[in-house]
Amino acid sequence: GAVVSQHPSRVICKSGTSVKIECRSLDFQATTMFWYRQFPKQSLMLMATSNEGSKATYEQGVEKDKFLINHASLTLSTLTVTSAHPEDSSFYICSAPGTEYEKLFFGSGTQLSVL
Amino acid sequence: AQKVTQAQTEISVVEKEDVTLDCVYETRDTTYYLFWYKQPPSGELVFLIRRNSFDEQNEISGRYSWNFQKSTSSFNFTITASQVVDSAVYFCALGLRTGGGNKLTFGTGTQLKVEL
Repeated sequence: GAVVSQHPSRVICKSGTSVKIECRSLDFQATTMFWYRQFPKQSLMLMATSNEGSKATYEQGVEKDKFLINHASLTLSTLTVTSAHPEDSSFYICSAPGTEYEKLFFGSGTQLSVL
Repeated sequence: AQKVTQAQTEISVVEKEDVTLDCVYETRDTTYYLFWYKQPPSGELVFLIRRNSFDEQNEISGRYSWNFQKSTSSFNFTITASQVVDSAVYFCALGLRTGGGNKLTFGTGTQLKVEL
């Protein structure tokens, strides 16, 4: 079945640095991808919708200058957390609708820890 | 606005017991999709089922079954003869047609612990 690959799975960085997370659709094209954030023992909150070839659509309350999204190709979306701070520490997970319309496939997630 | 409520924060059962995870949703849309995902400790989300609002047939897949009741806005999930490998966090989610059904609103999840 369709697979979404997310990298890295875990990253630790210093406060003030930027971190890039990649989300790839491995055997299908994804014109749209979704980025979610999950705090420990909490639900997943949609951050933004990544659109291939156009600007991302951000959910209310999500800082677009803080969380830069680039969907440069039909198989790759990236989320860059700019000038990361400890409060950005979270589990980030991407998803893409596969060719089987019934399924929404998720990446394995990225645990970001900002020191 | 959409909302998904999973009132059970944590459930503990002994292996081989049946367990039902509750999910109640709110939406004004008449066309929507309901999902269940499993999140093991490793973090990835494993797709279990997607159901559209026009299909109220209950579904069984092995030890898993789902009961969709539109009248009560519920989409409950039952695991029969639970196993230790079923231990995970289970999320119910709602997707609207306007988002292609894939822009999801998640519930807060239910932590299921199956013990020997």
